[in-house]
Amino acid sequence: DAKTTQPPSMDCAEGRAANLPCNHSTISGNEYVYWYRQIHSQGPQYIIHGLKNNETNEMASLIITEDRKSSTLILPHATLRDTAVYYCIVRDLIQGAQKLVFGQGTRLTINP
Amino acid sequence: NAGVTQTPKFRILKIGQSMTLQCTQDMNHNYMYWYRQDPGMGLKLIYYSVGAGITDKGEVPNGYNVSRSTTEDFPLRLELAAPSQTSVYFCASSYFGRNQPQHFGDGTRLSIL
Repeated sequence: DAKTTQPPSMDCAEGRAANLPCNHSTISGNEYVYWYRQIHSQGPQYIIHGLKNNETNEMASLIITEDRKSSTLILPHATLRDTAVYYCIVRDLIQGAQKLVFGQGTRLTINP
Repeated sequence: NAGVTQTPKFRILKIGQSMTLQCTQDMNHNYMYWYRQDPGMGLKLIYYSVGAGITDKGEVPNGYNVSRSTTEDFPLRLELAAPSQTSVYFCASSYFGRNQPQHFGDGTRLSIL
């Protein structure tokens, strides 16, 4: 399984861009990078995923390096509601189902 | 559209008791999953199902059983509750496909005393 490394915690000022890094140096060619977040004790929430190209949706942008060994999740204008634990996950395929391996993630705190 | 619904939200069990955690989804998703999350840790996959009648073990299946008789429901059974099973349990579902995101319920907080 490709493993990921994330900083345990980060702070960001409200209204600024939050940039969350993730290292996945053992990622294989067909594995996708997923980002989920968990607000307080709720169930995880899907944010975005990508393979090689940069991706953007209404929640965030995902920048993947050319060698695919690392990526950055960008929340362009962070709000207090973005305070959460953010998980970077490399998908492990088993029998066609998605097996998501969650590490301990990055606890992002947005400060007013 | 309720998404993924889990019941109960909280439960306290005595050692050796049994119970079933319920999970239902109304999105017609093929795949369903059960995870557990211990304090301060990430989620670990217990069991998953790719369709009605098909289930398979995840990372930490010991002490649990599942069944999938319908597309909508995926109950998780604890037969002999042990203190090590104190955790928060999350159910999730997704469409068939390599890149479909998983949608999670709000969890069941279970304490075994």
